[in-house]
Amino acid sequence: AQSVTQPDIHITVSEGASLELRCNYSYGATPYLFWYVQSPGQGLQLLLKYFSGDTLVQGIKGFEAEFKRSQSSFNLRKPSVHWSDAAEYFCAVGGMDTGRRALTFGSGTRLQVQP
Amino acid sequence: DAGVIQSPRHEVTEMGQEVTLRCKPISGHNSLFWYRQTMMRGLELLIYFNNNVPIDDSGMPEDRFSAKMPNASFSTLKIQPSEPRDSAVYFCASSLAQGYNEQFFGPGTRLTVL
Repeated sequence: AQSVTQPDIHITVSEGASLELRCNYSYGATPYLFWYVQSPGQGLQLLLKYFSGDTLVQGIKGFEAEFKRSQSSFNLRKPSVHWSDAAEYFCAVGGMDTGRRALTFGSGTRLQVQP
Repeated sequence: DAGVIQSPRHEVTEMGQEVTLRCKPISGHNSLFWYRQTMMRGLELLIYFNNNVPIDDSGMPEDRFSAKMPNASFSTLKIQPSEPRDSAVYFCASSLAQGYNEQFFGPGTRLTVL
């Protein structure tokens, strides 16, 4: 069965500091990996995705993520955090086969940004 | 494009009442997903349709829940009878069935069952 683990429930960083959110996955085939962000009371917005090719992917709002197959990880990074980045971040895994299209989400990491 | 549209945005009902949540996917998308978000269980899939046909309903909690997709532009999730433990945010998402399965999420329906 597929699963996603986000080991950090809550992270606090100072504005301007760098950020790394961890994500580990378990998937029995070629994974499609995603990071979504959810602001309070809002829906989920896609930050970036990995399907194949270059293992370092760029997303919106200055975020990037690196796929490491050997570590089954897909960590999200940002070199300099802005106060508006405070939100909850979800890592998700899915597949291309018809039966695997639904996403399995991690439990989320809540990011707090200190001034 | 207006994105995925969900209605109502908020629903407060009493235990035992029927609740119907509605979703309009992005035009041209032929996969539709219903997810539920709770503090205890996080985001979990309820059911997924491909070309209006249910593909995976293993996440539907029990017989009180049912979902339909009568056409490519409309889906409903019904709870009858509703219970307090059904209180959650229900998200609808849609995607293209071919190729990469990037899903676009609606704003969600916050359901409170008293």
